[in-house]
Amino acid sequence: DAGVTQSPTHLIKTRGQQVTLRCSPISGHKSVSWYQQVLGQGPQFIFQYYEKEERGRGNFPDRFSARQFPNYSSELNVNALLLGDSALYLCASSPYTWTENMETQYFGPGTRLLVL
Amino acid sequence: LAKTTQPISMDSYEGQEVNITCSHNNIATNDYITWYQQFPSQGPRFIIQGYKTKVTNEVASLFIPADRKSSTLSLPRVSLSDTAVYYCLVGDLRSSGSARQLTFGSGTQLTVLP
Repeated sequence: DAGVTQSPTHLIKTRGQQVTLRCSPISGHKSVSWYQQVLGQGPQFIFQYYEKEERGRGNFPDRFSARQFPNYSSELNVNALLLGDSALYLCASSPYTWTENMETQYFGPGTRLLVL
Repeated sequence: LAKTTQPISMDSYEGQEVNITCSHNNIATNDYITWYQQFPSQGPRFIIQGYKTKVTNEVASLFIPADRKSSTLSLPRVSLSDTAVYYCLVGDLRSSGSARQLTFGSGTQLTVLP
């Protein structure tokens, strides 16, 4: 089975522009989470979506938004890009089942965003 | 979410056993301990997870003492390809209705030397 896929792999934007990143979860997984990873740091939680509803939001400004589609894929949008938004954006999928003692999240390869 | 403390970096040689210890003094009763591995420009990869005592899988072992205030990831006979950043995470991802977010620290950069 295919793992989590993300597109594009790399992206260059200028300050003030808007960007849309895409994620397809593992087949059968209904939850998608987004993380931002700045160089030299661990990933930071941005959003989690389950069944097209936002289930959680990290400490990110309103410039960041996301949505989940009926096929469970997801998009992350970032408006009014700042230089500090340059990072690796990671998508993770999970089954989000209540039977799991502890859920494992499966990460995609990420999208490398550079803001100039 | 409990805060974790890990060494910033570790060096080892091929074929050796590597032990990376993580401190989590404020771990809660329902928290689990999870370790992820990350190679440059890739997403983190789940390694192992446990609640208490010892857990072993095909790639690693996780040792958790009775007080659960620390844990040790053990990688047997490392190879050059084990060079990566290793993250220790503590949390409860079972809470109904809440976001199941993973909280990463800065991780431990393991470098395996020939």
